[in-house]
Amino acid sequence: AQSVTQLGSHVSVSEGALVLLRCNYSSSVPPYLFWYVQYPNQGLQLLLKYTTGATLVKGINGFEAEFKKSETSFHLTKPSAHMSDAAEYFCAVSEGSGTYKYIFGTGTRLKVLA
Amino acid sequence: DAGVIQSPRHEVTEMGQEVTLRCKPISGHDYLFWYRQTMMRGLELLIYFNNNVPIDDSGMPEDRFSAKMPNASFSTLKIQPSEPRDSAVYFCAIDGRQGIRTGELFFGEGSRLTVL
Repeated sequence: AQSVTQLGSHVSVSEGALVLLRCNYSSSVPPYLFWYVQYPNQGLQLLLKYTTGATLVKGINGFEAEFKKSETSFHLTKPSAHMSDAAEYFCAVSEGSGTYKYIFGTGTRLKVLA
Repeated sequence: DAGVIQSPRHEVTEMGQEVTLRCKPISGHDYLFWYRQTMMRGLELLIYFNNNVPIDDSGMPEDRFSAKMPNASFSTLKIQPSEPRDSAVYFCAIDGRQGIRTGELFFGEGSRLTVL
């Protein structure tokens, strides 16, 4: 069975500071990993994904994440936070083959302080 | 995103009433998912379809919930009878194109259900 744990339901950073949102996963098979963002009253949008190949993946809006198999982690980072980054972020896992089930973490709400 | 249209966007109903939520995805996607989002439980996968066939409904909470996908451009999620604990935002999402998974779920804007 797959699962995702996001550490910290709320994270606050100052504008211009580093953003780090943590995600650990559990999967019995090679995983596909994702970060999604949700703005108020909207559905989720894909930020970035890891399937195979390079373990450092870059996404939209300057975000990136690194797949670390030994640590079963897929943390999301951005060097410099912008006010528009304030949103809720979800980490998700899916099996690399077979089922298309996507399992989401409980989310981390990012607040950016001026 | 115009790829998935959900209706109604908001519904307020009384306990015991039947609720039908609708999803109209753009054609060409192989997989359709229904998720429920609450503060307490986050995003829960309820059921997903492949080529209109239900593949896994293990997330459907009880027999009061049912989902159908009569064709590639339409799906419904029905709750009968509804209960206050069903209050949540229900999302429809699609993935996969011509047998190739994209890994990108396209979400609708959700249907916010309130059961009084």
